[in-house]
Amino acid sequence: QQQVKQSPQSLIVQKGGISIINCAYENTAFDYFPWYQQFPGKGPALLIAIRPDVSEKKEGRFTISFNKSAKQFSLHIMDSQPGDSATYFCAAILLTQGGSEKLVFGKGTKLTVNP
Amino acid sequence: AAGVIQSPRHLIKEKRETATLKCYPIPRHDTVYWYQQGPGQDPQFLISFYEKMQSDKGSIPDRFSAQQFSDYHSELNMSSLELGDSALYFCASSGTSGRGDEQFFGPGTRLTVL
Repeated sequence: QQQVKQSPQSLIVQKGGISIINCAYENTAFDYFPWYQQFPGKGPALLIAIRPDVSEKKEGRFTISFNKSAKQFSLHIMDSQPGDSATYFCAAILLTQGGSEKLVFGKGTKLTVNP
Repeated sequence: AAGVIQSPRHLIKEKRETATLKCYPIPRHDTVYWYQQGPGQDPQFLISFYEKMQSDKGSIPDRFSAQQFSDYHSELNMSSLELGDSALYFCASSGTSGRGDEQFFGPGTRLTVL
C-alpha cells in the first residue's frame, strides 16, 4: 500500500502556465515533506521541503501548500518553463526505530511543459 | 561542491551472477541510504547505515547485503541476480545536523540483468 499518494500521474502544461501536483498521506508520524525533481537518467534532487507546522512555503516559482488537518500537500510551479519538464516526486520522512530518516516517495508525476 | 559518487554507472550481468555497487558519500556525511528504482517507478528504500552500523532495513531481498566501511563509503552486494533486479540503484547521503537533513542522491547505477 502506497503510504504517500500522488496525482496526477502525468501532466502537460503550456509554457507560462501553472503546474499543480497533489499528494496525500495517512501516517501522522511523517514530520517532514520534501519534493524531489528527477530528470531522466539522473538521481532525484531536492526541490523544496516543508514542515507540517507551516501552511505554505515559497521558493522562487515553486510553492508548497500544506494542509495538516486534511493530510494533504501540493506543489505549485508558477510560470512553468520547458526546462521544468521532469518527474516530480512528493515524499514524506519517517524517523525509523534505527534512528535514520526514511524517505517514502509518492509514485511520481511526469510533467511536460510545452513551448 | 562534492557530490555523491556511485560506481559503476552501468552494469550488465547474467542471471545468477553477483554484483557489487559502490557509493562514496559527500565528505563529512555519516549516513548512507540505498534505494532501488524500477522503470517508471518511485525509489524504494532498501537499507541505511549510520556511522558504519546498519540503521534501518526496507524492502531489501535476502540475496542482497550491504555495509558501510571506516571511510564511510558503502557497498551493496547482490547475489543470485534475477531479471527483476534490473533497475536503477541510488545511493544517498546525509549529515546529522538535525532532523530533516537533505538526502543527496548520487547519479545511480543502472543494473541490467540478462
